Parts: sequence; C-alpha cells; structure tokens
Amino acid sequence: GQSLEQPSEVTAVEGAIVQINCTYQTSGFYGLSWYQQHDGGAPTFLSYNALDGLEETGRFSSFLSRSDSYGYLLLQELQMKDSASYFCAVRGQDNAGNMLTFGGGTRLMVKP
Amino acid sequence: ETGVTQTPRHLVMGMTNKKSLKCEQHLGHNAMYWYKQSAKKPLELMFVYNFKEQTENNSVPSRFSPECPNSSHLFLHLHTLQPEDSALYLCASSQDRSSGYNEQFFGPGTRLTVL
Repeated sequence: GQSLEQPSEVTAVEGAIVQINCTYQTSGFYGLSWYQQHDGGAPTFLSYNALDGLEETGRFSSFLSRSDSYGYLLLQELQMKDSASYFCAVRGQDNAGNMLTFGGGTRLMVKP
Repeated sequence: ETGVTQTPRHLVMGMTNKKSLKCEQHLGHNAMYWYKQSAKKPLELMFVYNFKEQTENNSVPSRFSPECPNSSHLFLHLHTLQPEDSALYLCASSQDRSSGYNEQFFGPGTRLTVL
C-alpha cells in the first residue's frame, strides 16, 4: 500500500516564501507529482520529480529525496492567487503508468 | 470546447434514482480516470480506462458503473447511491497510462449530493 503525509494548512503573507512538505511510504516508487486546486476548480498539474534534486518552474520549485521518501513544493514571491490546495501524489509500484495516489492536500492561505 | 469537460456540474439525486455523469476530453488522450473527492479526504482513484479498456477498479461498490465507449468519452452510471456517496466526482485524462509518466488533466468535476 501507499500513504502520503502533508500538512493540512499553511498560512503565509504576500511576497513571502512557503514550503509544503510531503513524506510518503510506498512499496515501490517512480515519482512524486504536485497538483494545485483552487476552491471550486479542477486540480492542475504543477510538477513531477522522478530523480533527486530540485526542479524549478518560475516561482514554483519542487524537490525530491528518494532516500528520505520526502519531497517539497516551494512557492516564492507569494501572490494572493496562490491561495489554493496543494496535493502531492506518488506514482508507486502498485500504480504503474500514470496512476497516482494523492495526499490529503495542504490548504495554503496567502494574506495581504 | 477544450480540455476536459464534465456534465452536469451539479447533481442532486435521491437514493432510488439512476443518473449518469459524463466526461469528455478534447486532448487526444488515451487514458481516462474517475476520482472521488470528499471533504477532508484525499482524492480517491475509482476507475482507470486505457484505450477504452478498464484496467483498474479500485474496490468501488457496484452501485457505481463506468462506461468508456471511446477514448474521448467516459461515463459514470449511478444507481441506488447512499448519502455518503455525496462528493465531487472528477474525471481526468492523460496520454497513455503505460508509457511513463504523463500529467493528468482534470475536468471541473460534478458536485453530487445524495439525499
């Protein structure tokens, strides 16, 4: 089986940097994804890490450490529009191809 | 229409009703998925179709019945549901479930309320 842990809620101010952590337990591992979901909206893909290290895409970066079964999403220069829920998801041995197991989500609130 | 569309966006039904949810993807993808999203719970994968063939049924009760007539369309037929089935039902698609990772594109979901 697979399980993922991430904080349920994070609050930060506009312009700040926030890190959302995700730890996972899987019977095998192919990669870690991050998705963003605004209230009332569809989840949208942010990033995918299959190898250790940091992947940067604009203001968002994602990090993976396979040896620690740990990853994080880093959001820089926070904007009000970044207020949303962020989900990590693993593609593990039980989930070949594109099947994903999602974490419970972290609700990020950005304040002025 | 672009991306992944779902209809209806909202549905209220009684426990004895039969209804269907529809999903259509306009991305040329070959894999489609149904997820259930309940309050304060992770997204739960329900069914996976790859090239119109059902490849996964994640221990979903038989009152949920999927149908995939072609790679662009996916249905979820609902019959004698329970109040605890009230949730947001999300459809997603990706290029191919077997050839390495491809991001999933989600529809806006159907908010289902079972009375």
